Amino acid sequence: DAKTTQPPSMDCAEGRAANLPCNHSTISGNEYVYWYRQIHSQGPQYIIHGLKNNETNEMASLIITEDRKSSTLILPHATLRDTAVYYCIVSSLTGFQKLVFGTGTRLLVSP
Amino acid sequence: AAGVIQSPRHLIKEKRETATLKCYPIPRHDTVYWYQQGPGQDPQFLISFYEKMQSDKGSIPDRFSAQQFSDYHSELNMSSLELGDSALYFCASSPRDRKSRNQPQHFGDGTRLSIL
Repeated sequence: DAKTTQPPSMDCAEGRAANLPCNHSTISGNEYVYWYRQIHSQGPQYIIHGLKNNETNEMASLIITEDRKSSTLILPHATLRDTAVYYCIVSSLTGFQKLVFGTGTRLLVSP
Repeated sequence: AAGVIQSPRHLIKEKRETATLKCYPIPRHDTVYWYQQGPGQDPQFLISFYEKMQSDKGSIPDRFSAQQFSDYHSELNMSSLELGDSALYFCASSPRDRKSRNQPQHFGDGTRLSIL
């Protein structure tokens, strides 16, 4: 599985956009980029995923560079409840897509 | 919408005892995954099942076994429990049909297992 690199921590002011980067320079053509987050000790929560096009849903936007070697998760208006560990994971279309969690980015949203 | 259901939510056992954790996937999800998250660690993949057959295996100890039943629910059986088995155990599910190959896994809220 391709590996990802994320900053260990980030801060964001409430109401501002949170931009979380992820490097996945060894990603292969059939691998998707998935983003999950874990709030305290709850189960990881799916946020968004994409292959090569930018994606948006009710939670976030995902921007993938043209060479697919990096991506950015954008939370447009961060709230205190967005404080969590955010995991960027690449996973292949083949196989049964076990998720390999890295260390993630601990996002702290402050008032 | 229905989510992944795990039971029990909390479980306390003593060393050398056995434990069984249960997972009920989202309706129409036929693939189940188990993950273990130790204190201060990130989730680690243990094992997965598709259509009642083991589909992938990660760092699961030989003392652990799991199976998936005809109704797609899964059970993780743990024997000769050790202090190091204290962790959160998460189950996730996803659909597996050809049109859903990239569909994400959705996680339950986990079982917190404490070994005394």
